[in-house]
Amino acid sequence: NAGVTQTPKFQVLKTGQSMTLQCAQDMNHEYMSWYRQDPGMGLRLIHYSVGAGITDQGEVPNGYNVSRSTTEDFPLRLLSAAPSQTSVYFCASSITSGPYNEQFFGPGTRLTVL
Amino acid sequence: GDSVTQMEGPVTLSEEAFLTINCTYTATGYPSLFWYVQYPGEGLQLLLKATKADDKGSNKGFEATYRKETTSFHLEKGSVQVSDSAVYFCALSDPTNFGNEKLTFGTGTRLTIIP
Repeated sequence: NAGVTQTPKFQVLKTGQSMTLQCAQDMNHEYMSWYRQDPGMGLRLIHYSVGAGITDQGEVPNGYNVSRSTTEDFPLRLLSAAPSQTSVYFCASSITSGPYNEQFFGPGTRLTVL
Repeated sequence: GDSVTQMEGPVTLSEEAFLTINCTYTATGYPSLFWYVQYPGEGLQLLLKATKADDKGSNKGFEATYRKETTSFHLEKGSVQVSDSAVYFCALSDPTNFGNEKLTFGTGTRLTIIP
């Protein structure tokens, strides 16, 4: 049982490049989400999904796309990277979208955009 | 909207000292409250939670009590260890945001324990 896995751990991009951050969970969780962590700002929700085929925007969705074709996977796409997207990205999952459920976090991807 | 205000860090304490990290919140409904911990190089993991007023969450010697009257959820530990060095996040989940019970996080408090 690997929990929530994220790849890559580190990535450096040039402005305008695109890339996909991968996230997978093996706990059969319905709810998955992406956060970004910036100094002095805590974690902010980018996008979330309450189940396969369903996605929605969080607080800071601009510049990011997501899809959820399977229960296990929830990739985050940067279409045209900007320096403002330099951050640490965390994927999280929970059994359902209820407010009492623990969210399980992946180890994070540290992204630098030059 | 919902918000969490957390004690600014960093906080440095000696081993066996008493720890308090303050957390207050604003929310439209009756939120669930959480403390998450992030050890160096790792993702966040749940430390404890409380889902209704006067509930006390506890784990690994840490405690926090859901105080509705003061809208607070302060984290305490009676005797800290070097292994407690980490970043601590207070968070809430508002059940009125049906279908997206996202976590709203505080800014985090970096705790360093020196031997």
